[in-house]
Amino acid sequence: DTAVSQTPKYLVTQMGNDKSIKCEQNLGHDTMYWYKQDSKKFLKIMFSYNNKELIINETVPNRFSPKSPDKAHLNLHINSLELGDSAVYFCASSPRAYNTEAFFGQGTRLTVV
Amino acid sequence: AQTVTQSQPEMSVQEAETVTLSCTYDTSESDYYLFWYKQPPSRQMILVIRQEAYKQQNATENRFSVNFQKAAKSFSLKISDSQLGDAAMYFCAYRRGNNNDMRFGAGTRLTVKP
Repeated sequence: DTAVSQTPKYLVTQMGNDKSIKCEQNLGHDTMYWYKQDSKKFLKIMFSYNNKELIINETVPNRFSPKSPDKAHLNLHINSLELGDSAVYFCASSPRAYNTEAFFGQGTRLTVV
Repeated sequence: AQTVTQSQPEMSVQEAETVTLSCTYDTSESDYYLFWYKQPPSRQMILVIRQEAYKQQNATENRFSVNFQKAAKSFSLKISDSQLGDAAMYFCAYRRGNNNDMRFGAGTRLTVKP
């Protein structure tokens, strides 16, 4: 009964490939996020969706495209992968109440070779 | 834009002792929320404690407590009776009161020595 689940947990791929990371939450939350954690552990917000609507879109290369088919799912598709895309990508969700924390998935470690 | 600063990249504490991790933030908002997350080697992000800016009383959760200084925009985390399991990365986070945007500091790596 995992609250926020991401698949896959590990992903190794070659430069130039296209890959997707899937995220699902069963908490009934309205908001979902993608964060990128680099090798120095810095967590940077990439995207935020509220009820399938894109709310936050940080300065992220166009090669990254989020897709939210419904409010329980937020997938991340990455085109033409580059070495610098190697990182841990976290999906998170939170309810509408802003005093509540974000609940995180286990992260996907993406390695581009 | 709101920023969160953790000035201590690494901290170390002896088991059973107390350690304080620092966090400052920059905002012009009056309504916001602050959080401390723990990330052990398993990389799972775990909420440690939260604080509402409108509350003057400092939040406490068992061995974890905060010192929230709103005027100084400071939000430090105190861990009492440190345990080996407390060793992890600790992240301070800020969330505006009417916004989904949650921003994190750069993190502090805490080592607990036996």
